[in-house]
Amino acid sequence: AQKVTQAQTEISVVEKEDVTLDCVYETRDTTYYLFWYKQPPSGELVFLIRRNSFDEQNEISGRYSWNFQKSTSSFNFTITASQVVDSAVYFCALSPFGNEKLTFGTGTRLTIIP
Amino acid sequence: EPEVTQTPSHQVTQMGQEVILRCVPISNHLYFYWYRQILGQKVEFLVSFYNNEISEKSEIFDDQFSVERPDGSNFTLKIRSTKLEDSAMYFCASSEQGARYGYTFGSGTRLTVV
Repeated sequence: AQKVTQAQTEISVVEKEDVTLDCVYETRDTTYYLFWYKQPPSGELVFLIRRNSFDEQNEISGRYSWNFQKSTSSFNFTITASQVVDSAVYFCALSPFGNEKLTFGTGTRLTIIP
Repeated sequence: EPEVTQTPSHQVTQMGQEVILRCVPISNHLYFYWYRQILGQKVEFLVSFYNNEISEKSEIFDDQFSVERPDGSNFTLKIRSTKLEDSAMYFCASSEQGARYGYTFGSGTRLTVV
């Protein structure tokens, strides 16, 4: 069975600060895929990134960066120079190879204070 | 950018009534999914659908639930006899090549059972 843990329920930071959202996962599969989704106040789920288990290279996309460490089963998400528009609930998710289901974490509610 | 369309955005129904939630996936996608999110909680997998049949389903997806692709564009979720605990946001998603490549989610249907 798969499990995704997002231990930070809520985080508040002042605008322009950097913030890291933690994600720890459990799976017995050797091939799997990790995702981050953003859920803004309007409620939709917005895809941010996908990473497969063989690719431990960190990724940067503008102010967003992701740190995948297989040794600690973590896939953390950092927002640099946060903005008010980053306020949302962020979900980490896992899908093993050959499985169509995404297992989501419980989400982290991020509030950026102007 | 192509999107997954869900209708209605909000539906209120009386306990025991049947509801049908509708989704139009992205046109060239072959994999379809339903998820639900009880208010403030995590996103939970209900069912995946590929090649005109269910490929996976969760324990939540019992005999009260069914899915259908009645034509080439729609994908529906039916709840036969709604219960109060079915109140949730229901998300439809689609993927071109399967879960490992990530999904595109619709904006959701908020179902309220009274």
